[in-house]
Amino acid sequence: GAGVSQSPSNKVTEKGKDVELRCDPISGHTALYWYRQRLGQGLEFLIYFQGNSAPDKSGLPSDRFSAERTGESVSTLTIQRTQQEDSAVYLCASSLPARADTQYFGPGTRLTVL
Amino acid sequence: AQKVTQAQTEISVVEKEDVTLDCVYETRDTTYYLFWYKQPPSGELVFLIRRNSFDEQNEISGRYSWNFQKSTSSFNFTITASQVVDSAVYFCALLGSQGNLIFGKGTKLSVKP
Repeated sequence: GAGVSQSPSNKVTEKGKDVELRCDPISGHTALYWYRQRLGQGLEFLIYFQGNSAPDKSGLPSDRFSAERTGESVSTLTIQRTQQEDSAVYLCASSLPARADTQYFGPGTRLTVL
Repeated sequence: AQKVTQAQTEISVVEKEDVTLDCVYETRDTTYYLFWYKQPPSGELVFLIRRNSFDEQNEISGRYSWNFQKSTSSFNFTITASQVVDSAVYFCALLGSQGNLIFGKGTKLSVKP
């Protein structure tokens, strides 16, 4: 079956613009995770959804970052007023309920802020 | 606090050499999961192994083996007879209390012919 998909695969934007990154989880996966990977670094956890609820948003780097999820489907990560330090690969993962030990990763969106 | 440390930033070996990638973790949980992922130059994350804290048996899968030692909080990964295709960044991770994966900074392995 289809895996986790993310769009766009690449996004180049100018500093100060807003961007939206999309994640389509595997069907039936109620849990969804966003991570960020800066160049040469490990993955940094941003936010987690169970269904359309995000119990803890403390991993989001600043108030310019927000995320939402429609039902148990698509999630959108929005970065407002992008800064150069936002340049990174943004990865999404999904899992079955209570199966955070088995997360399936998407291919990521490479964001470049000029 | 929960943390994963991969002290080796980069390793370079010649093909057919054995190589061990170190991973040290910190957690106060009595039950936890550890993982290794491979990230080749193409960028996708490839799952290699999941190990829960109940199972301290070492695991072997082809040329890959993992040594889990609770006494030293380590979960090391060995590639035997390395190949050029093994060149990648390897990440060790711990499942955090929120269900998020806590990653180490990664070890970049270069295998030269």
